[in-house]
Amino acid sequence: DTAVSQTPKYLVTQMGNDKSIKCEQNLGHDTMYWYKQDSKKFLKIMFSYNNKELIINETVPNRFSPKSPDKAHLNLHINSLELGDSAVYFCASSPQGRAIYFGEGSWLTVV
Amino acid sequence: AQKVTQAQTEISVVEKEDVTLDCVYETRDTTYYLFWYKQPPSGELVFLIRRNSFDEQNEISGRYSWNFQKSTSSFNFTITASQVVDSAVYFCALSGFGNEKLTFGTGTRLTIIP
Repeated sequence: DTAVSQTPKYLVTQMGNDKSIKCEQNLGHDTMYWYKQDSKKFLKIMFSYNNKELIINETVPNRFSPKSPDKAHLNLHINSLELGDSAVYFCASSPQGRAIYFGEGSWLTVV
Repeated sequence: AQKVTQAQTEISVVEKEDVTLDCVYETRDTTYYLFWYKQPPSGELVFLIRRNSFDEQNEISGRYSWNFQKSTSSFNFTITASQVVDSAVYFCALSGFGNEKLTFGTGTRLTIIP
């Protein structure tokens, strides 16, 4: 069973559309994250939630809105998609103060 | 501010050779964590190790070993007797103690030539 799972794995969409990426973890971890990996492979944190509360928001455009309905889920909604949003988005989770485990990534291409 | 530098952008070695990936970090925190992750061609990020700043003991796991030198702010990763399956991009990362935001290096692309 995949510990941190994200859907969809691949997403191709047009500029201006709104899309969501879902993430679920079955590890019982308290903290979940979204990271973005750009075309140069650079990885940067976007958001972090602990027990459904936002604790890190790294200067991400407000077109990106995370939602955590419960501590096992952290979804990422993106409004008015732009070409520069094309990237790989990684969901991750960790128990407090421990190693961070990543999902398999969601490849978003905006055309 | 935290910073992680992986100066080696790409490395190629012939299979069975040993290879060391360098990682140098900067932080003002007195306690922190260091990590290594592997990203194979399939794209997922695989956790390899987490080391806390007050434990400088080197660690070995099979063909992998890590050398943590606080005096030089380095956390280098060595693969012994490399195999083709080791071909991947390897990321070093840093987080504060109690602050779980990972700051990543830019990665080193390792290619093992059969």
